[in-house]
Amino acid sequence: DAMVIQNPRYQVTQFGKPVTLSCSQTLNHNVMYWYQQKSSQAPKLLFHYYDKDFNNEADTPDNFQSRRPNTSFCFLDIRSPGLGDAAMYLCATSRDPGMSTDTQYFGPGTRLTVL
Amino acid sequence: AQSVAQPEDQVNVAEGNPLTVKCTYSVSGNPYLFWYVQYPNRGLQFLLKYITGDNLVKGSYGFEAEFNKSQTSFHLKKPSALVSDSALYFCAVRRPRGDGLTFGKGTHLIIQP
Repeated sequence: DAMVIQNPRYQVTQFGKPVTLSCSQTLNHNVMYWYQQKSSQAPKLLFHYYDKDFNNEADTPDNFQSRRPNTSFCFLDIRSPGLGDAAMYLCATSRDPGMSTDTQYFGPGTRLTVL
Repeated sequence: AQSVAQPEDQVNVAEGNPLTVKCTYSVSGNPYLFWYVQYPNRGLQFLLKYITGDNLVKGSYGFEAEFNKSQTSFHLKKPSALVSDSALYFCAVRRPRGDGLTFGKGTHLIIQP
């Protein structure tokens, strides 16, 4: 089945220790998104890639970066995690945001704990 | 700026009864509206969407949603609730350029046996 896969499902890191979260997709979608969802809050868009074009949200901290080496994979790098970065990180994909029928499909998420 | 409001933090429904989860929106231009469901420690699952056309949209797992332009609402409904429907439900609107979703704060739906 075509899907969005996130690894690992649970990640524990130490304060200030860089961490990388991974997302892959078999949908062959053009766009990959990263959302941050803190406890009991709505998902918040951090950035997205449209093909190789990176689009950062204005209020995304510099501590968060992303890489998309190919169509299938996208990574979220947190350079120096703070306690406030503990959250569920959701990856999503969509085919073409220019089309009104475009739908985002989400992976299962990675829950990040910062000690 | 566009926004989505889910006025209820929690909705409690007895199994077998109809359920409604409310959502109102504020957008400029045409609204493209979505409902997603999230089970504990899981990602968001797409339920249904409204783009244009029929105001009653049918989706997965027996859910449907009614779009009401005059009331700027997009309420999620199901005729007969199941205990397994208990989850966190998010209403969302697509951003004008299509590059991302703006979510409501979510509604916990609890179906009591």
